[in-house]
Amino acid sequence: DTAVSQTPKYLVTQMGNDKSIKCEQNLGHDTMYWYKQDSKKFLKIMFSYNNKELIINETVPNRFSPKSPDKAHLNLHINSLELGDSAVYFCASSQGGQDYNSPLHFGNGTRLTVT
Amino acid sequence: AQSVAQPEDQVNVAEGNPLTVKCTYSVSGNPYLFWYVQYPNRGLQFLLKYITGDNLVKGSYGFEAEFNKSQTSFHLKKPSALVSDSALYFCAVRGPTGGFKTIFGAGTRLFVKA
Repeated sequence: DTAVSQTPKYLVTQMGNDKSIKCEQNLGHDTMYWYKQDSKKFLKIMFSYNNKELIINETVPNRFSPKSPDKAHLNLHINSLELGDSAVYFCASSQGGQDYNSPLHFGNGTRLTVT
Repeated sequence: AQSVAQPEDQVNVAEGNPLTVKCTYSVSGNPYLFWYVQYPNRGLQFLLKYITGDNLVKGSYGFEAEFNKSQTSFHLKKPSALVSDSALYFCAVRGPTGGFKTIFGAGTRLFVKA
């Protein structure tokens, strides 16, 4: 069973389009995250939800909107896609709360290519 | 503010030789330190963590890491490298003042030559 699963794996779209990425975890974790990995492999946190509540909202264009319908799911919707949005987007989860020693569990990523 | 530095973009080592991947950190308060590995077209996988206690931490696949508070370092080590260890390695830090944020270093690519 895949612990953190993302769909789709690949997403190719044109500038100006709107797209969504979905993530689900079956680990029973309270906290979920979106990270962006650029072409140089640098990882940057975008958002985090703890029990459906937004707790981290980094400096990300407001074209990006996360949604957590329940604590096992975290989706990312992107409006008006731009060339610079091309990257690999990773979903992750962890135990959350004050459990700072809980490692992150990552999905296998969604490679977004904007043409 | 929390930060992590991995000073080497790439580390090359011969199979069977010991390997070290370096990491230094900056965090207010006690650090929670992690190492992750990323294979091509995959997500990051957790290797090991340091929370408190013994400065030498053992993790998955024979990896270990040494925490040094005075040098603010958390270097990843393995006594005998395998070709299959070739991957991208990330050091990460989480601290109480950073809340839930895990901050990653830029990554170090490890090449193990047969």
